[in-house]
Amino acid sequence: AQTVTQSQPEMSVQEAETVTLSCTYDTSENNYYLFWYKQPPSRQMILVIRQEAYKQQNATENRFSVNFQKAAKSFSLKISDSQLGDTAMYFCAFMKPSNQFYFGTGTSLTVIP
Amino acid sequence: DAGITQSPRHKVTETGTPVTLRCHQTENHRYMYWYRQDPGHGLRLIHYSYGVKDTDKGEVSDGYSVSRSKTEDFLLTLESATSSQTSVYFCAISDDRAAEAFFGQGTRLTVV
Repeated sequence: AQTVTQSQPEMSVQEAETVTLSCTYDTSENNYYLFWYKQPPSRQMILVIRQEAYKQQNATENRFSVNFQKAAKSFSLKISDSQLGDTAMYFCAFMKPSNQFYFGTGTSLTVIP
Repeated sequence: DAGITQSPRHKVTETGTPVTLRCHQTENHRYMYWYRQDPGHGLRLIHYSYGVKDTDKGEVSDGYSVSRSKTEDFLLTLESATSSQTSVYFCAISDDRAAEAFFGQGTRLTVV
């Protein structure tokens, strides 16, 4: 069975600072994808960043980057220069080759002005 | 934005009544999913479909059934609603070409 664990239910960060959200996962698969999704108060689920397991290079998308440690099954999200609009729930997710998705319990991030 | 529409967006229903939620997509994606979101639990998979009339159970399927008679529609039915099924329900779609799940806007269901 696949599991995704987010051990930080809530976090806060000062505007313009950097914050890192943690995620670990457990799988016996060798090929898979990992994701971070953002859910603002509007409830819409928005893809933030995606990482393919066979790529060693960490994915980056503007102010968002990941630290992917395959052997440790760790996939953390770093948000640089935090903005008020980053306030949201963040979900770590895992996708098997069969296109089944598994989600963590989420981290609620608050950016403080 | 991916073309996914959930209906209704909000619903209040009484315990013991059947309820059907609809997910409609215009992307011709193969995979469709129903999740429920509850505080402290994240998103949990109820059922998913990998093609027309091809469905399988997720981790919290008890009390729910699904049907997919057309590529574009995936229906979730609560056979006899209970208060524990009060939740926000999300439909999602995916495809082999796009390693990503696209989500609908969610349906807030309250069972009283």
